[in-house]
Amino acid sequence: AQKITQTQPGMFVQEKEAVTLDCTYDTSDPSYGLFWYKQPSSGEMIFLIYQGSYDQQNATEGRYSLNFQKARKSANLVISASQLGDSAMYFCAMREGTNTGNQFYFGTGTSLTVIP
Amino acid sequence: GAVVSQHPSRVICKSGTSVKIECRSLDFQATTMFWYRQFPKKSLMLMATSNEGSKATYEQGVEKDKFLINHASLTLSTLTVTSAHPEDSSFYICSARGYRHTEAFFGQGTRLTVV
Repeated sequence: AQKITQTQPGMFVQEKEAVTLDCTYDTSDPSYGLFWYKQPSSGEMIFLIYQGSYDQQNATEGRYSLNFQKARKSANLVISASQLGDSAMYFCAMREGTNTGNQFYFGTGTSLTVIP
Repeated sequence: GAVVSQHPSRVICKSGTSVKIECRSLDFQATTMFWYRQFPKKSLMLMATSNEGSKATYEQGVEKDKFLINHASLTLSTLTVTSAHPEDSSFYICSARGYRHTEAFFGQGTRLTVV
Protein backbone atom coordinates (compact mmCIF):
# COMPACT_ATOMS: atom_id res chain seq x y z
CA ALA A 1 0.00 0.00 0.00
CA GLN A 2 1.10 3.55 -0.65
CA LYS A 3 2.39 5.31 2.43
CA ILE A 4 1.22 8.71 1.20
CA THR A 5 -1.63 9.33 -1.23
CA GLN A 6 -2.39 12.63 -2.87
CA THR A 7 -5.43 12.25 -5.10
CA GLN A 8 -5.44 15.70 -6.70
CA PRO A 9 -2.93 15.94 -9.56
CA GLY A 10 -3.92 19.54 -10.20
CA MET A 11 -5.89 22.23 -8.43
CA PHE A 12 -6.93 25.75 -9.33
CA VAL A 13 -7.83 28.50 -6.91
CA GLN A 14 -8.79 32.12 -7.31
CA GLU A 15 -6.39 34.62 -5.81
CA LYS A 16 -7.31 35.53 -2.22
CA GLU A 17 -9.44 32.41 -1.82
CA ALA A 18 -8.62 29.43 0.40
CA VAL A 19 -7.72 26.01 -0.98
CA THR A 20 -7.40 22.56 0.55
CA LEU A 21 -4.89 20.02 -0.71
CA ASP A 22 -5.67 16.46 0.26
CA CYS A 23 -3.32 13.93 1.76
CA THR A 24 -3.95 10.54 3.31
CA TYR A 25 -1.34 8.31 4.86
CA ASP A 26 -0.88 4.71 5.89
CA THR A 27 1.19 3.54 8.82
CA SER A 28 0.98 1.20 11.76
CA ASP A 29 3.68 3.05 13.71
CA PRO A 30 2.11 5.06 16.55
CA SER A 31 4.85 7.66 16.26
CA TYR A 32 5.12 9.52 12.99
CA GLY A 33 5.43 12.97 11.52
CA LEU A 34 3.58 14.53 8.64
CA PHE A 35 5.07 17.27 6.48
CA TRP A 36 4.13 19.48 3.61
CA TYR A 37 6.68 20.83 1.15
CA LYS A 38 6.31 23.33 -1.68
CA GLN A 39 8.30 22.94 -4.89
CA PRO A 40 8.25 25.97 -7.20
CA SER A 41 9.29 25.62 -10.82
CA SER A 42 12.88 26.41 -9.82
CA GLY A 43 13.04 23.01 -8.14
CA GLU A 44 13.95 23.61 -4.53
CA MET A 45 11.82 21.97 -1.85
CA ILE A 46 10.55 24.41 0.74
CA PHE A 47 9.34 23.10 4.09
CA LEU A 48 5.92 24.50 4.99
CA ILE A 49 4.45 22.78 8.01
CA TYR A 50 4.79 19.81 10.33
CA GLN A 51 2.32 17.76 12.38
CA GLY A 52 3.38 15.16 14.90
CA SER A 53 1.21 12.14 15.50
CA TYR A 54 0.84 12.98 19.17
CA ASP A 55 0.09 16.64 18.64
CA GLN A 56 -3.36 17.50 19.94
CA GLN A 57 -3.76 20.72 18.02
CA ASN A 58 -3.68 21.23 14.28
CA ALA A 59 -0.44 22.84 13.16
CA THR A 60 -0.51 26.36 11.75
CA GLU A 61 2.21 28.45 10.12
CA GLY A 62 1.06 31.79 8.84
CA ARG A 63 -1.33 31.19 5.95
CA TYR A 64 -0.76 27.43 6.13
CA SER A 65 -2.68 25.12 8.39
CA LEU A 66 -2.82 21.38 8.56
CA ASN A 67 -6.19 19.71 9.06
CA PHE A 68 -5.10 16.60 10.94
CA GLN A 69 -7.73 13.89 11.28
CA LYS A 70 -5.93 11.01 12.91
CA ALA A 71 -8.77 8.49 12.82
CA ARG A 72 -9.20 9.04 9.11
CA LYS A 73 -5.44 9.16 8.57
CA SER A 74 -5.64 12.40 6.69
CA ALA A 75 -3.43 15.48 6.83
CA ASN A 76 -4.84 18.04 4.46
CA LEU A 77 -3.05 21.33 3.85
CA VAL A 78 -5.15 24.47 3.89
CA ILE A 79 -3.76 27.60 2.28
CA SER A 80 -5.70 30.71 3.12
CA ALA A 81 -5.77 33.93 1.11
CA SER A 82 -3.99 32.41 -1.89
CA GLN A 83 -1.35 34.45 -3.62
CA LEU A 84 0.06 34.17 -7.13
CA GLY A 85 3.35 33.06 -5.62
CA ASP A 86 1.63 30.01 -4.16
CA SER A 87 1.50 28.44 -7.62
CA ALA A 88 3.75 25.40 -7.30
CA MET A 89 3.83 21.66 -6.69
CA TYR A 90 2.93 20.61 -3.17
CA PHE A 91 4.12 17.37 -1.66
CA CYS A 92 2.83 15.65 1.45
CA ALA A 93 5.36 13.48 3.26
CA MET A 94 5.54 11.20 6.27
CA ARG A 95 8.36 9.95 8.46
CA GLU A 96 7.76 6.98 10.74
CA GLY A 97 9.40 6.90 14.14
CA THR A 98 11.86 9.47 15.44
CA ASN A 99 15.24 8.17 14.28
CA THR A 100 17.01 10.81 12.20
CA GLY A 101 17.90 8.13 9.69
CA ASN A 102 14.30 7.20 8.97
CA GLN A 103 13.31 8.01 5.44
CA PHE A 104 10.60 10.39 4.34
CA TYR A 105 7.84 8.98 2.16
CA PHE A 106 6.51 11.44 -0.39
CA GLY A 107 3.20 11.56 -2.20
CA THR A 108 2.89 12.14 -5.93
CA GLY A 109 2.20 15.82 -5.43
CA THR A 110 -0.50 18.32 -6.32
CA SER A 111 0.10 21.09 -8.81
CA LEU A 112 -1.57 24.25 -7.56
CA THR A 113 -2.33 27.14 -9.90
CA VAL A 114 -3.50 30.43 -8.47
CA ILE A 115 -5.63 32.40 -10.91
CA PRO A 116 -5.50 36.20 -10.77
CA GLY B 1 15.16 27.03 9.01
CA ALA B 2 18.51 25.39 8.43
CA VAL B 3 20.34 25.78 5.14
CA VAL B 4 21.46 23.07 2.78
CA SER B 5 23.54 24.04 -0.23
CA GLN B 6 23.75 21.80 -3.28
CA HIS B 7 26.23 22.33 -6.07
CA PRO B 8 26.22 22.50 -9.03
CA SER B 9 22.68 23.56 -9.85
CA ARG B 10 23.08 22.52 -13.48
CA VAL B 11 25.59 20.34 -15.23
CA ILE B 12 25.95 19.04 -18.74
CA CYS B 13 28.39 16.22 -19.30
CA LYS B 14 29.39 13.86 -22.05
CA SER B 15 28.28 10.28 -22.05
CA GLY B 16 30.83 8.08 -20.29
CA THR B 17 32.15 10.73 -17.94
CA SER B 18 31.54 11.04 -14.20
CA VAL B 19 29.83 13.88 -12.39
CA LYS B 20 30.07 14.77 -8.71
CA ILE B 21 27.28 16.58 -6.90
CA GLU B 22 27.92 18.11 -3.48
CA CYS B 23 25.43 18.61 -0.68
CA ARG B 24 26.47 20.72 2.30
CA SER B 25 24.68 21.59 5.48
CA LEU B 26 25.79 25.15 6.20
CA ASP B 27 24.63 25.79 9.73
CA PHE B 28 23.98 22.43 11.33
CA GLN B 29 25.45 18.98 11.58
CA ALA B 30 23.66 16.60 9.26
CA THR B 31 23.60 13.21 10.87
CA THR B 32 21.65 11.87 7.90
CA MET B 33 21.52 12.90 4.29
CA PHE B 34 19.10 11.63 1.68
CA TRP B 35 19.57 11.59 -2.07
CA TYR B 36 16.59 11.69 -4.38
CA ARG B 37 15.98 11.58 -8.08
CA GLN B 38 12.99 13.32 -9.58
CA PHE B 39 11.60 12.84 -13.06
CA PRO B 40 9.59 15.66 -14.67
CA LYS B 41 6.27 16.23 -12.95
CA LYS B 42 6.84 13.21 -10.72
CA SER B 43 7.47 12.64 -7.05
CA LEU B 44 10.82 12.28 -5.40
CA MET B 45 12.36 8.83 -5.63
CA LEU B 46 14.66 8.02 -2.74
CA MET B 47 17.96 6.68 -4.03
CA ALA B 48 19.92 6.26 -0.84
CA THR B 49 20.28 7.30 2.76
CA SER B 50 23.70 8.15 4.10
CA ASN B 51 24.79 8.50 7.68
CA GLU B 52 28.04 10.23 8.53
CA GLY B 53 30.96 7.86 8.67
CA SER B 54 29.11 4.81 7.44
CA LYS B 55 28.22 3.31 4.09
CA ALA B 56 25.11 4.55 2.36
CA THR B 57 21.99 2.44 2.33
CA TYR B 58 20.70 2.16 -1.21
CA GLU B 59 17.09 1.62 -2.21
CA GLN B 60 16.16 -1.41 -4.21
CA GLY B 61 16.95 -1.01 -7.88
CA VAL B 62 19.57 1.72 -7.40
CA GLU B 63 23.00 0.68 -8.62
CA LYS B 64 25.48 1.45 -5.87
CA ASP B 65 28.43 1.17 -8.25
CA LYS B 66 26.92 3.73 -10.55
CA PHE B 67 25.71 6.18 -7.94
CA LEU B 68 28.52 6.52 -5.44
CA ILE B 69 27.59 8.27 -2.23
CA ASN B 70 30.09 9.50 0.29
CA HIS B 71 29.23 11.14 3.60
CA ALA B 72 32.67 11.83 4.95
CA SER B 73 31.77 14.59 7.39
CA LEU B 74 28.78 15.90 9.29
CA THR B 75 28.36 18.72 6.80
CA LEU B 76 29.14 17.17 3.43
CA SER B 77 27.77 14.36 1.32
CA THR B 78 28.58 13.75 -2.32
CA LEU B 79 26.83 11.84 -5.07
CA THR B 80 28.99 10.75 -7.98
CA VAL B 81 27.28 9.53 -11.12
CA THR B 82 29.86 7.30 -12.74
CA SER B 83 30.03 6.59 -16.47
CA ALA B 84 26.97 8.71 -17.05
CA HIS B 85 24.55 7.89 -19.84
CA PRO B 86 21.69 9.90 -21.31
CA GLU B 87 19.18 7.90 -19.26
CA ASP B 88 20.84 9.26 -16.11
CA SER B 89 19.70 12.74 -17.10
CA SER B 90 17.41 13.88 -14.31
CA PHE B 91 16.92 16.24 -11.39
CA TYR B 92 18.85 15.11 -8.33
CA ILE B 93 18.14 16.64 -4.95
CA CYS B 94 19.58 16.06 -1.52
CA SER B 95 18.12 16.64 1.89
CA ALA B 96 19.67 16.65 5.32
CA ARG B 97 18.48 16.29 8.84
CA GLY B 98 20.22 16.91 12.15
CA TYR B 99 19.56 15.07 15.37
CA ARG B 100 17.45 17.90 16.75
CA HIS B 101 15.38 18.46 13.63
CA THR B 102 11.97 17.07 12.87
CA GLU B 103 11.91 18.19 9.26
CA ALA B 104 14.44 17.55 6.54
CA PHE B 105 16.00 20.48 4.71
CA PHE B 106 16.59 20.33 0.98
CA GLY B 107 19.28 21.55 -1.30
CA GLN B 108 18.43 23.49 -4.43
CA GLY B 109 18.73 20.44 -6.64
CA THR B 110 20.99 19.60 -9.59
CA ARG B 111 19.72 19.24 -13.11
CA LEU B 112 21.98 16.75 -14.85
CA THR B 113 21.98 16.47 -18.62
CA VAL B 114 24.08 13.77 -20.23
CA VAL B 115 24.74 14.27 -23.94
